[in-house]
Amino acid sequence: QVQMQESGPELVKPSETLSLACSVSGGSISSSSYYWAWVRQPPGKGLEWIGTMYYSGSTYYNPSLRSRLTISGDTSKNQFSLNLNFVTAADTAMYFCVGGYSSGPPGYWGQGTLVTVSS
Amino acid sequence: DIQMTQSPSSLSASVGDRVTITCRASQRISRFLNWFQQRPGEAPKLLIYEGTSLRNGVPSRFSGSAFGTDFTLTINSLQPEDFATYYCQQGYTTLWTFGQGTRVEIK
Repeated sequence: QVQMQESGPELVKPSETLSLACSVSGGSISSSSYYWAWVRQPPGKGLEWIGTMYYSGSTYYNPSLRSRLTISGDTSKNQFSLNLNFVTAADTAMYFCVGGYSSGPPGYWGQGTLVTVSS
Repeated sequence: DIQMTQSPSSLSASVGDRVTITCRASQRISRFLNWFQQRPGEAPKLLIYEGTSLRNGVPSRFSGSAFGTDFTLTINSLQPEDFATYYCQQGYTTLWTFGQGTRVEIK
């Protein structure tokens, strides 16, 4: 059973970089069997897809975030990470890391971590 | 981008009621439509995938249907633990999109 856990700062200053990591157990981030993604949810609002990383190294980003976003993997730690540059208050949200089988649905979710952008 | 229009945005229902939530895609997405349940303070939980397939362990009172670009989540005999927010999500393209969510409240 795949399990996922987000980690990173809870508070980030405006214009700085938001960096989160997701530790994965029960599945390898370098396996062709899985893909890995990030989804966020501003307080009291709906879900927003951020981006997805595939075992091949291919990444797909939400067009609204693409210019500020990098998703990458660290196979030595079996983690994947999110880096979002030049954050503003609009980036304040619960951030979830997500995983799924190959072309299947996103069935594995971390518990989420709340990141607040504020000076 | 593919837009997902979910309705209603909220509804009130009683325990034992049958509830229907609809999601319409702005273009054809085959059956690449998933439904999630999110209780307050929790991560979303996958209920239905590929439009109509029930995830293992999800109660059979949940069901999904698909008609062209219209998808429906039905909850038969609503239970107290079903009061939550429900989201649809399309996975037809690599650029995912979610519906706006439907909050199911106790009448």
